[in-house]
Amino acid sequence: QKEVEQNSGPLSVPEGAIASLNCTYSDRVSQSFFWYRQYSGKSPELIMSIYSNGDKEDGRFTAQLNKASQYVSLLIRDSQPSDSATYLCAVKNQGGKLIFGQGTELSVKP
Amino acid sequence: NAGVTQTPKFQVLKTGQSMTLQCAQDMNHNSMYWYRQDPGMGLRLIYYSASEGTTDKGEVPNGYNVSRLNKREFSLRLESAAPSQTSVYFCASRGSLAFETQYFGPGTRLLVL
Repeated sequence: QKEVEQNSGPLSVPEGAIASLNCTYSDRVSQSFFWYRQYSGKSPELIMSIYSNGDKEDGRFTAQLNKASQYVSLLIRDSQPSDSATYLCAVKNQGGKLIFGQGTELSVKP
Repeated sequence: NAGVTQTPKFQVLKTGQSMTLQCAQDMNHNSMYWYRQDPGMGLRLIYYSASEGTTDKGEVPNGYNVSRLNKREFSLRLESAAPSQTSVYFCASRGSLAFETQYFGPGTRLLVL
């Protein structure tokens, strides 16, 4: 089992819809969780971080964490074509290293 | 504040050639990292440096060496390039606080023929 798993997609949603991106992780003691956005040909950029169970909202983005289920998700409300990118889930493991999932490609259709 | 910078942006090598990828950060971060990114594989850690003077292997260190020249600079060397090392290489840095995340450079695209 990979340490951090994501569906590779592509996930296609219409403009204005909610995009839901999911991630599971295997290290039960992980405490820090991050979502990065990566546009084609560019470097990853941090968009959300979450450390405790529940929801964390920042504008159109909501990160959700469930440590019991070892599950973290990212919701993007009112999706825009400019949200089309690959979204990387990253989990800081017990050794302090950041482990990345393979990324989910999101396509928002006008 | 440039953040994390990398040179070169793009490089073509022949099998067996050597090269050094350069990375520098101006955020006074202690930790620096080298990743490679391949299609469908996500980001994989090659080497990291938790502080000036220390380096450690990551998930895929074979075929690479690193040097933490000073607090700002962390270089990655390919001694004898192989086609399997064709990839996009990202350098990243992170501050010392427990909940800080990593900031990435723009990447170096390497093609080994």
